[in-house]
Amino acid sequence: AQSVTQPDIHITVSEGASLELRCNYSYGATPYLFWYVQSPGQGLQLLLKYFSGDTLVQGIKGFEAEFKRSQSSFNLRKPSVHWSDAAEYFCAVGAYYGTDKLIFGTGTRLQVFP
Amino acid sequence: EPEVTQTPSHQVTQMGQEVILRCVPISNHLYFYWYRQILGQKVEFLVSFYNNEISEKSEIFDDQFSVERPDGSNFTLKIRSTKLEDSAMYFCASSIGGTKNTEAFFGQGTRLTVV
Repeated sequence: AQSVTQPDIHITVSEGASLELRCNYSYGATPYLFWYVQSPGQGLQLLLKYFSGDTLVQGIKGFEAEFKRSQSSFNLRKPSVHWSDAAEYFCAVGAYYGTDKLIFGTGTRLQVFP
Repeated sequence: EPEVTQTPSHQVTQMGQEVILRCVPISNHLYFYWYRQILGQKVEFLVSFYNNEISEKSEIFDDQFSVERPDGSNFTLKIRSTKLEDSAMYFCASSIGGTKNTEAFFGQGTRLTVV
């Protein structure tokens, strides 16, 4: 069965520091992968997605993620975090065939200190 | 910018009561979804809806749940007799062409508290 693991429940970084949020997935075939962000009182907003091709994916707000098949990972990175990046981040996986549903991780709450 | 709108933002209901959660998807979207997140747990898929019928549902989506698109603009989730364990954040989402090909846009969620 498909599953997504986000090992870090809560991460705190200083503004300007680099960030990496971890995501590991379990899926029998090639997945497609997403990162969503939820700011307080807001819906889930898509940051970036990987379907195929270049394994390094650029997203909005200066985020990028790298798909590593050998490690079943899709970690989210940002070189310099801004205070406005404080939010909850969700990794999700979907299937190329059959089901249209997304499988989400439990989320990582990012706190940014000035 | 078009967005998915959910109402209410927070609903408190007594156990055994019926609740209807409302969503207005983006107007030209064709695929509609409900997900939920129990506090501290994963966001879970409940149901997908296309062409006026359920296209897929999870094990969670039992006979107590139903969805409807009554008027071409709203998309509702009804829980007939709420249980304590139905307390969760419920997210509505929509997409133009399904999640394989197009982005799913999510609403801000409705927090349902069953007491």
